[in-house]
Amino acid sequence: GAGVSQSPSNKVTEKGKDVELRCDPISGHTALYWYRQSLGQGLEFLIYFQGNSAPDKSGLPSDRFSAERTGGSVSTLTIQRTQQEDSAVYLCASSQDRANEQFFGPGTRLTVL
Amino acid sequence: AQSVTQLDSQVPVFEEAPVELRCNYSSSVSVYLFWYVQYPNQGLQLLLKYLSGSTLVKGINGFEAEFNKSQTSFHLRKPSVHISDTAEYFCAVSSQGGSEKLVFGKGTKLTVNP
Repeated sequence: GAGVSQSPSNKVTEKGKDVELRCDPISGHTALYWYRQSLGQGLEFLIYFQGNSAPDKSGLPSDRFSAERTGGSVSTLTIQRTQQEDSAVYLCASSQDRANEQFFGPGTRLTVL
Repeated sequence: AQSVTQLDSQVPVFEEAPVELRCNYSSSVSVYLFWYVQYPNQGLQLLLKYLSGSTLVKGINGFEAEFNKSQTSFHLRKPSVHISDTAEYFCAVSSQGGSEKLVFGKGTKLTVNP
């Protein structure tokens, strides 16, 4: 079956602009995660959605970052007023249930000029 | 809170040699443990995981890892590596009963030379 897909694969933006990153999880997976991979910080958790529960936003680095998950499926990560330090690869993962393997998408490489 | 330490940032080895990639973790609660591999310009792929039961876990591509609770370690081993094992390897933990978000180590870059 299809894996986790993310779009766009690459995004170049200017400092101060807003960006939206999209994640399509594996069909039927109830849990969805966003992570960020950068040279300086490694892989960091950002936000977690599980079913209809309130999301775990504890990893979001600032209030410029937000995410939503519509209809329990597709998720969008929004970064407002982008800064150069936001440059990173943003990874989405989904899993069938808690404690199950997380399947990762290919990531969106964000470059803020 | 959890943390993961991967003691070696880079490990160069020759083809057909054995390799061990070290991982230590810190947590105040019980955890699940994972090793992920990232091949050049590709996404993360699960190698193996420890949830419960036998402390020796076998994964894909001939890799295995052993959970040692007293030493809070989860080292990854392979008895004979191939050129194709060249990749970055990430150890990760998640807390049992929590959101199961993964906390990753900084990664170990394994380079297998001919």
